[in-house]
Amino acid sequence: EAGVAQSPRYKIIEKRQSVAFWCNPISGHATLYWYQQILGQGPKLLIQFQNNGVVDDSQLPKDRFSAERLKGVDSTLKIQPAKLEDSAVYLCASSLIRDRVQETQYFGPGTRLLVL
Amino acid sequence: AQSVTQLGSHVSVSEGALVLLRCNYSSSVPPYLFWYVQYPNQGLQLLLKYTSAATLVKGINGFEAEFKKSETSFHLTKPSAHMSDAAEYFCAVRAFSGSARQLTFGSGTQLTVLP
Repeated sequence: EAGVAQSPRYKIIEKRQSVAFWCNPISGHATLYWYQQILGQGPKLLIQFQNNGVVDDSQLPKDRFSAERLKGVDSTLKIQPAKLEDSAVYLCASSLIRDRVQETQYFGPGTRLLVL
Repeated sequence: AQSVTQLGSHVSVSEGALVLLRCNYSSSVPPYLFWYVQYPNQGLQLLLKYTSAATLVKGINGFEAEFKKSETSFHLTKPSAHMSDAAEYFCAVRAFSGSARQLTFGSGTQLTVLP
């Protein structure tokens, strides 16, 4: 079974530029998550989708971050414009069912973003 | 609100020695607890999870963790460390209550295994 795919793996941009990350979850997984992992910290949830609807985006900086999951499969996370403090690893995860709290989340390899 | 505290951002053990990584949680409702491992340049992989069944949970690669409600702890152990165990380990908590359904991670513990 293929895992969660993410691209690109690395991205370097200058502040105020735009950047987009792509995620393809495990086939059949209804729930998709985007996390931000700053160096030295644990991942922090940015947004959670159930199929193509947003379940939780309470920690997403909506003035500069946006995400979509058209057709309920793959997803794109965008930052526009980027700030220095956005330098982090952006992790995508998916799980089969949303409402089971014990459900395992499967993580992709992440996209490492460096903002100069 | 829920939170996780991992004591010790770096832990070093000798190969063959006991591994003990500490995790304490705070949750207003009964929690579900997870340990994830992250190898360099890879995503997180689930090691084990506590879901209110047995308090002693066995996971992959010989790891296990014990849920102790009285101590609000969920420490991760392995009897004998192997070089391949070197990685970063994250404890996480999730509770079935409104916004607390979010998976909240600790800040991680980097495990070094010395030859």
